[in-house]
Amino acid sequence: AQTVTQSQPEMSVQEAETVTLSCTYDTSESNYYLFWYKQPPSRQMILVIRQEAYKQQNATENRFSVNFQKAAKSFSLKISDSQLGDTAMYFCASLEGGGGADGLTFGKGTHLIIQP
Amino acid sequence: DAMVIQNPRYQVTQFGKPVTLSCSQTLNHNVMYWYQQKSSQAPKLLFHYYDKDFNNEADTPDNFQSRRPNTSFCFLDIRSPGLGDAAMYLCATSRDRGYEQFFGPGTRLTVL
Repeated sequence: AQTVTQSQPEMSVQEAETVTLSCTYDTSESNYYLFWYKQPPSRQMILVIRQEAYKQQNATENRFSVNFQKAAKSFSLKISDSQLGDTAMYFCASLEGGGGADGLTFGKGTHLIIQP
Repeated sequence: DAMVIQNPRYQVTQFGKPVTLSCSQTLNHNVMYWYQQKSSQAPKLLFHYYDKDFNNEADTPDNFQSRRPNTSFCFLDIRSPGLGDAAMYLCATSRDRGYEQFFGPGTRLTVL
């Protein structure tokens, strides 16, 4: 069974600052995937970034990047030049590969507030 | 260009009255999922379909059922909703196992 832990229930930063959201996970699988999803208030869940466990290079999507530390089972999300529209719940999630259980295992989420 | 559509967006039902939530997708994805998300909690997988194969999570109550009549549509049936079933229900799809999941906007279910 997989577990995902997000230890920061809420974070608040000023617009244009850089913020890092923490996530640790546990899995017995060697083949797995990690994701960060964003869920704005009353809006749908959207994918922010995806990381394959077998890739050493950290994934990057514009202002969003991850720090994937496989040995430490850590998968943090860095948001650079934060914007008001980044205000949302952010969920870290894992997914087993290899044809196993197919549902995402989510952490409890971090509520990120970007202050003007 | 909606890709994963859920209807209705808001559903109110009475205690014990069966209700059906609908999900459709224009992505032609093989896999469709149903998650339950209670207030201030993470989504929890109820079940998924890999093509026509139904996969139920071990702790999903029998009260919850699902149907997938074709590739595009998937339904969530709650046979006898209880107050504890009030939640946001999220439908998601993925091309295949191991690929990212695309979520619909969700249906917020209220049970009176």
